[in-house]
Amino acid sequence: GQQVMQIPQYQHVQEGEDFTTYCNSSTTLSNIQWYKQRPGGHPVFLIQLVKSGEVKKQKRLTFQFGEAKKNSSLHITATQTTDVGTYFCAGLDKSGSARQLTFGSGTQLTVLP
Amino acid sequence: GAGVSQSPSNKVTEKGKDVELRCDPISGHTALYWYRQSLGQGLEFLIYFQGNSAPDKSGLPSDRFSAERTGGSVSTLTIQRTQQEDSAVYLCASSLVRGGLQTAFFGQGTRLTVV
Repeated sequence: GQQVMQIPQYQHVQEGEDFTTYCNSSTTLSNIQWYKQRPGGHPVFLIQLVKSGEVKKQKRLTFQFGEAKKNSSLHITATQTTDVGTYFCAGLDKSGSARQLTFGSGTQLTVLP
Repeated sequence: GAGVSQSPSNKVTEKGKDVELRCDPISGHTALYWYRQSLGQGLEFLIYFQGNSAPDKSGLPSDRFSAERTGGSVSTLTIQRTQQEDSAVYLCASSLVRGGLQTAFFGQGTRLTVV
């Protein structure tokens, strides 16, 4: 079945440094989504990418969808303490498998002041 | 409703007891997911509903776990004969499938503690 791998599992950065998390799917995706879970909270939708090679920006966050629609990345420029949390990618299998959305394992970001 | 509602928010139960966790999805959302999350860990997929049917139950960890969904709305996750390793936060998410796209909206979760 579809698998979505995410690396790294953990990342500690100094405030002001950049951060990137990567997501790779074993199958071609129809779209990729990113979610953020603050400590003690639940995952909240950030963005969805649909087109091959698509790049979207939200302030200091840049999201990319690979040309082959099997990988994606989230890059945060100049991290702030408010960026702390776990970032999950979620892929929707192009084949329309029964499971639909498959979440990656997440990257837990710690920002040191 | 305005969002996905889960109840109870916290549940402490004795080992061996049965528990029922409830999820009220956003009205009109046809897809519903259950996940389990242990402290500091990722999301462990349990089961997926499309309407009232569950095309993917592959994540249920044992036959002590079962789930149902009635009327295409409320879902109940039941854990029988709870074990300490069942302690975790159980998250429910619902989504509207539209044009092949969907976005998951999560509830606040039920924190289950088995003592």
